[in-house]
Amino acid sequence: EAQVTQNPRYLITVTGKKLTVTCSQNMNHEYMSWYRQDPGLGLRQIYYSMNVEVTDKGDVPEGYKVSRKEKRNFPLILESPSPNQTSLYFCASSRYPTGGLNTEAFFGQGTRLTVV
Amino acid sequence: GNSVTQMEGPVTLSEEAFLTINCTYTATGYPSLFWYVQYPGEGLQLLLKATKADDKGSNKGFEATYRKETTSFHLEKGSVQVSDSAVYFCALSNRGGYQKVTFGIGTKLQVIP
Repeated sequence: EAQVTQNPRYLITVTGKKLTVTCSQNMNHEYMSWYRQDPGLGLRQIYYSMNVEVTDKGDVPEGYKVSRKEKRNFPLILESPSPNQTSLYFCASSRYPTGGLNTEAFFGQGTRLTVV
Repeated sequence: GNSVTQMEGPVTLSEEAFLTINCTYTATGYPSLFWYVQYPGEGLQLLLKATKADDKGSNKGFEATYRKETTSFHLEKGSVQVSDSAVYFCALSNRGGYQKVTFGIGTKLQVIP
């Protein structure tokens, strides 16, 4: 089954304690992204990756890091989480850039992060 | 920069009512337009898309037409069901962009029996 898997689904942590949210896709997609979803703001892109070792900032990259060492994995790293990073996070992947044909993005089920 | 405008809702309708969720956009060039749906507790799923002016995307009884002259991509369904209750996101992406997608804030739809 084609899917994007995020872990954990729920996470409560304290300010300043480094954490990693994992994302893995089994569709051999080149393009992967991280978004955060906040009430009244919709989804905002944090980082994206066009291929292994190729990443770039989205609209709200501050406080986040990513890496793309393998095609299937795209972890999101919060080196020093703060309460304003409390949010619902989604990982997504697609075969092509989303501006063209056959560019459906597949989303994970989300990770609800609370930073206290 | 790019932007997508849609009402947040919630939109509450009775079963079998007609649905319209408005979406307007601002973008450079000729973007591709999308509607995604998010059911409770799940990630987003692509509902439909249109890649050029006057294209009509359709799926599961939902339709939306790419109107370049009014920069709009309104979502419609003739008869909603309780199972359509979800949050609907309008989105755009510039052609040739690299995963650069801009989403609206999402419109929550509640369908009551």
